[in-house]
Amino acid sequence: QQQVKQSPQSLIVQKGGISIINCAYENTAFDYFPWYQQFPGKGPALLIAIRPDVSEKKEGRFTISFNKSAKQFSLHIMDSQPGDSATYFCAATGDDFGNEKLTFGTGTRLTIIP
Amino acid sequence: GAGVSQTPSNKVTEKGKYVELRCDPISGHTALYWYRQSLGQGPEFLIYFQGTGAADDSGLPNDRFFAVRPEGSVSTLKIQRTERGDSAVYLCASSLIAGVQETQYFGPGTRLLVL
Repeated sequence: QQQVKQSPQSLIVQKGGISIINCAYENTAFDYFPWYQQFPGKGPALLIAIRPDVSEKKEGRFTISFNKSAKQFSLHIMDSQPGDSATYFCAATGDDFGNEKLTFGTGTRLTIIP
Repeated sequence: GAGVSQTPSNKVTEKGKYVELRCDPISGHTALYWYRQSLGQGPEFLIYFQGTGAADDSGLPNDRFFAVRPEGSVSTLKIQRTERGDSAVYLCASSLIAGVQETQYFGPGTRLLVL
């Protein structure tokens, strides 16, 4: 059972453009939604995270938009740069038991072209 | 300071063999997590420790998988009678304390290939 669905699977964006990655979740008990960035051969690294009582969170060029009623959230990367080329995973944590384990989406491979 | 380290970085073994994968968490981190990442997929939770005890092992796929953390620091993931389907990257993460909003810091992973 895939509890966090992520799209698109891959994304190509021109340098300076906006990259948008979308996720949807099923479990309404989730109460924390981090995004992770992963470069080849490395482990995932936390990029930005949001709680469901906030509709938007911005950190530099990265913004999370959150729609609790639709159970959807998205990552926007403004002014995308070649160094942003990586795989991005949305995730969710917290459940009926207050569980800290992360449930990840399937990932989006982002490529920024000059 | 040092991040999470995992050894070996790569492991090739034959079907049916036993393997051990080691994780050294960030010093002082009390919570430790194991995840498995198959090619082209997101990491999947296996088990997590709070201190020395396994607080949640619901992600272990079967009884061939076992993990320990005897002194509350280093952890070892043990896989018996390996199968080709066990081939994946095994990721370890640690956090200062266990908590929904606590950042989990990941190691680079151990790439396991079962022939």
